[in-house]
This record gives sequence, C-alpha cells and structure tokens, in this order.
Amino acid sequence: DIQMTQSPSSLSASVGDRVTITCRASQGISNYLAWYQQKPGKVPKLLIYAASTLQSGVPSRFSGSGSGTDFTLTISSLQPEDVATYYCQKYNSAPPQFTFGPGTKVDIK
Amino acid sequence: QLQLQESGPGLVKPSETLSLTCTVSGGSISSSSYYWGWIRQPPGKGLEWIGSIYYSGSTYYNPSLKSRVTISVDTSKNQFSLKLSSVTAADTAVYYCARQGGRAIFGVVTDWGQGTLVTVSS
Repeated sequence: DIQMTQSPSSLSASVGDRVTITCRASQGISNYLAWYQQKPGKVPKLLIYAASTLQSGVPSRFSGSGSGTDFTLTISSLQPEDVATYYCQKYNSAPPQFTFGPGTKVDIK
Repeated sequence: QLQLQESGPGLVKPSETLSLTCTVSGGSISSSSYYWGWIRQPPGKGLEWIGSIYYSGSTYYNPSLKSRVTISVDTSKNQFSLKLSSVTAADTAVYYCARQGGRAIFGVVTDWGQGTLVTVSS
C-alpha cells in the first residue's frame, strides 16, 4: 500500500507570510494528488487536483506543485481565513485506494 | 446545485452494524461521470476513505476496512448506503458521503455531505 505523509504536522505563520506544506508518497503516484482545506468545524473543500490544477473558485494565492513522490501546497500570502487543516490525497490508483495524508494544521501567529 | 445528505442512527452499540444512507439531490446518481463514496473522520483526527461505488454497483473498499464494509446503490431512489459491521469505539466518527470524480480524476472528492456523527457506545 502507498502511504501518504505530510510535513509539518502544524505551523504558525503571520498574515502575509508565504506558507509551504509538503506531502510525500511512499511510491510514485505521477501527478494524481489532490489538496483539501478543512476549516474548523466545517466540511473539507477541494483546493487542487492533478497536483497543480486549481479548483474553480479557489483563490489564486493557493498553488500546488510536484510529481512522483514529492508535492507541495503553497499559500503565497497567508490570510486569516486560511486558518484550517490541509490534507493531501492520492487518487486514480490501481487498485483504487484514495488515501489521505494525516493533515497539516495552519494557524495565525 | 448538488446536495448530499447523510441519514441514519447517531448511536450504535458495540458489535452491531452501522448503517447510513446518502440521498443525492440536484443531480443523478446514475451519471457515468462520477463515483460515490464514504469518508470518515474520528473526533479530532484526520480523514479516512472508507469506500466508493459506481452507479452500476462496482465497489472499491479501503483494505483496512474491507472485511466489514458493504456499500450499495439504489438508483431508483438516488441513494447509496454504507454498512459497517462489528463496530467498536474506534469506529466513532463523523461519516461523510461524497461525490468523487471519474476518469482522470477518479477518486477526487468534488462534493461533500454535511457529515453525520456516529457514536459507538453501549
């Protein structure tokens, strides 16, 4: 089974800071990587799929990159409304196993 | 606009079977473009994919839960369902039903239900 890890598990940054979250797959998954945002007490929301394709309506300060085993989610200028836990997820695998990473909690300093 | 709504008991006794139904509105569960899935989140913890189903009845399960999980679809009611047997306290979680993409985004969760908390306790 392919395992997904994320780092850091949590971070605290100031408004306006550039924030980077890393997701790593234990085996190559091409670009079949999605990112989700879950604000406190809310339902998760799709931010990015295919490692770097922004879902419609997602602010352009969010971006994703990577391929193979190493991926990053970047928030170019952290805003108060970005306080959330961010999860990566692998998809489109054979056999189908849509594993989520453990999450990265982002707070405002 | 697509809506997904989970329904079912909020309290299940240990060793019994958890049963939830997801009612889909604003879209057809028989669309060839999508899959339908269940995802859970224990209190204060991360997301765990449980399994997914296509309208034809093809199913895919998380190997760690496969022996206890059954997902089924009722296209006439635009619903799909989850059964998880032999539950323990570790199965206490918010259970989300979801629409997942097909083809190149097979498994990406594009839409989520609001979630329902199921507590396993005697």
